[in-house]
Amino acid sequence: NAGVTQTPKFQVLKTGQSMTLQCAQDMNHNSMYWYRQDPGMGLRLIYYSASEGTTDKGEVPNGYNVSRLNKREFSLRLESAAPSQTSVYFCASSGTGIYGYTFGSGTRLTVV
Amino acid sequence: QKEVEQDPGPLSVPEGAIVSLNCTYSNSAFQYFMWYRQYSRKGPELLMYTYSSGNKEDGRFTAQVDKSSKYISLFIRDSQPSDSATYLCAMSALGQGAQKLVFGQGTRLTINP
Repeated sequence: NAGVTQTPKFQVLKTGQSMTLQCAQDMNHNSMYWYRQDPGMGLRLIYYSASEGTTDKGEVPNGYNVSRLNKREFSLRLESAAPSQTSVYFCASSGTGIYGYTFGSGTRLTVV
Repeated sequence: QKEVEQDPGPLSVPEGAIVSLNCTYSNSAFQYFMWYRQYSRKGPELLMYTYSSGNKEDGRFTAQVDKSSKYISLFIRDSQPSDSATYLCAMSALGQGAQKLVFGQGTRLTINP
């Protein structure tokens, strides 16, 4: 099915461990995004990539890095996980002539 | 102050009621306004999209934008239990390309049979 695929769906990390969240879209969209969703805070933009080869910081980039590997894939890396990074992470994409985002199903991350 | 404010609820209404969900915003550059629906443990899905001020209707759903008041609304008529979800408003200055949507907190809605 066409859409945005995120892996893994669930992850538990210990403080200080690193991990990479993977995201891939098959809709030929140019722009991709990483958001985190926390209770009472809504969805907040971590990083985005307007097009292949470009990335920019969003509202809450500290502690994260991203890589736009190609047009389809956009990964989010936590180099040294902290309990404050416990959240649900959503990847999304958008394309020319298309309004709004298509979201993935999310990655539930717990840092202990 | 957040750029987009949305009452998180929760909001509980009986089946068949008219539901009104609202957001206010502070950034006058916003021109594109959206409503997303998010079921539990799922990603948000686009429900309604409007540009600038005015109304847009899609079945039982109506979206309204009042840019002069910086206020947007979503109305659900003849509400159904299947409408139970969290509703997020979102807005951006750009309609295409890297839209950088700014989201409200979301309102958790329950429709009781």
